[in-house]
Amino acid sequence: GQNIDQPTEMTATEGAIVQINCTYQTSGFNGLFWYQQHAGEAPTFLSYNVLDGLEEKGRFSSFLSRSKGYSYLLLKELQMKDSASYLCAVINSNYQLIWGAGTKLIIKP
Amino acid sequence: TAGITQAPTSQILAAGRSMTLRCTQDMRHNAMYWYRQDLGLGLRLIHYSNTAGTTGKGEVPDGYSVSRANTDDFPLTLASAVPSQTSVYFCASSVELAPTGELFFGEGSRLTVL
Repeated sequence: GQNIDQPTEMTATEGAIVQINCTYQTSGFNGLFWYQQHAGEAPTFLSYNVLDGLEEKGRFSSFLSRSKGYSYLLLKELQMKDSASYLCAVINSNYQLIWGAGTKLIIKP
Repeated sequence: TAGITQAPTSQILAAGRSMTLRCTQDMRHNAMYWYRQDLGLGLRLIHYSNTAGTTGKGEVPDGYSVSRANTDDFPLTLASAVPSQTSVYFCASSVELAPTGELFFGEGSRLTVL
């Protein structure tokens, strides 16, 4: 089967750094997405990784290791507005998008 | 900029009734998708379309139908709703079907079937 694993919930402090992990087992790999979803809202695109390594975009960075089936999203200088769910999704060899259940991130002052 | 518009925002529906969720995009994207999102589960693909006039089944298509008469509109119909179809439904689009680029989502339609 195909599976995306993420922690269900994480808590972090405003101003700190948090790393959200995602491991995947899929039939092939053609890229990995991270999306942010605030409660009651639509998911919005954060990053796309297809090659190994770190992609940095402002306070957010995304890392991919294809050999380990592993990615993480790193959020720096956390702000209260970063409280949201973070969705990991993988494109498999059939170009189907497989979604994880998401990680709910709670930011405390 | 509208992007993707869904309607209704929320709806309560009696079991056995039919319902159409509307989705319109103004980005001239070729590919459109319908997902359902349930607590504790990842987004699950119901149906998709890679261009006007063609549709395909996703992971959970039973009980749902779609049409793609033109590029902009992609309605989702529940012919005879059942309580297990209670969910939040998201319409999405991308430039092409193989989504190596960003998916754009509508704001969602919350459907409750009693």
